Amino acid sequence: AQSVSQHNHHVILSEAASLELGCNYSYGGTVNLFWYVQYPGQHLQLLLKYFSGDPLVKGIKGFEAEFIKSKFSFNLRKPSVQWSDTAEYFCAARIGGSQGNLIFGKGTKLSVKP
Amino acid sequence: DGGITQSPKYLFRKEGQNVTLSCEQNLNHDAMYWYRQDPGQGLRLIYYSQIVNDFQKGDIAEGYSVSREKKESFPLTVTSAQKNPTAFYLCASSILRTGELFFGEGSRLTVL
Repeated sequence: AQSVSQHNHHVILSEAASLELGCNYSYGGTVNLFWYVQYPGQHLQLLLKYFSGDPLVKGIKGFEAEFIKSKFSFNLRKPSVQWSDTAEYFCAARIGGSQGNLIFGKGTKLSVKP
Repeated sequence: DGGITQSPKYLFRKEGQNVTLSCEQNLNHDAMYWYRQDPGQGLRLIYYSQIVNDFQKGDIAEGYSVSREKKESFPLTVTSAQKNPTAFYLCASSILRTGELFFGEGSRLTVL
């Protein structure tokens, strides 16, 4: 079955540390990839997305992600985290183009210590 | 403001009762979705609809029902057949060709 895996359940960092959250998907065909963020008490919102083209995607709030097709990966990165980045992050994949369903990973909780 | 409105935000229900969660969108999106979010489980798809008067089961549809009589509305009924209904329920919508989902603020259902 198609799936999205996020390797880390909970990541704890100090402010200014660099962040990389892993995401792998299990499908070899057309795939659209997303990272969503859920700040405490807020609704899920889109951080960035990849459909095609440049595999390095830049999103809001200084986040970026790199699509590596050979590794079926779409890792999220930020060079220097802030306390306000404390949130839960979800990787998602839409398999088979725009008609497919969005499959979510189980999420990674990020806690940033001030 | 354009967006997705879910109600109620919090709901308590006794075992054996059905409950309906409301989801309305004014984004003119074709597709609407219901997800269930449990700690450590991520989001799991319950039902989705790509067009009015049509909907499909997601991965965990048992014990739930939906309707899509209007483009703007996609209510979810949690029936008494749902064995573990206490959860956070998220409604979302999308323009089909972009694939990006927009989410409501969620409804937290607690069964007593």
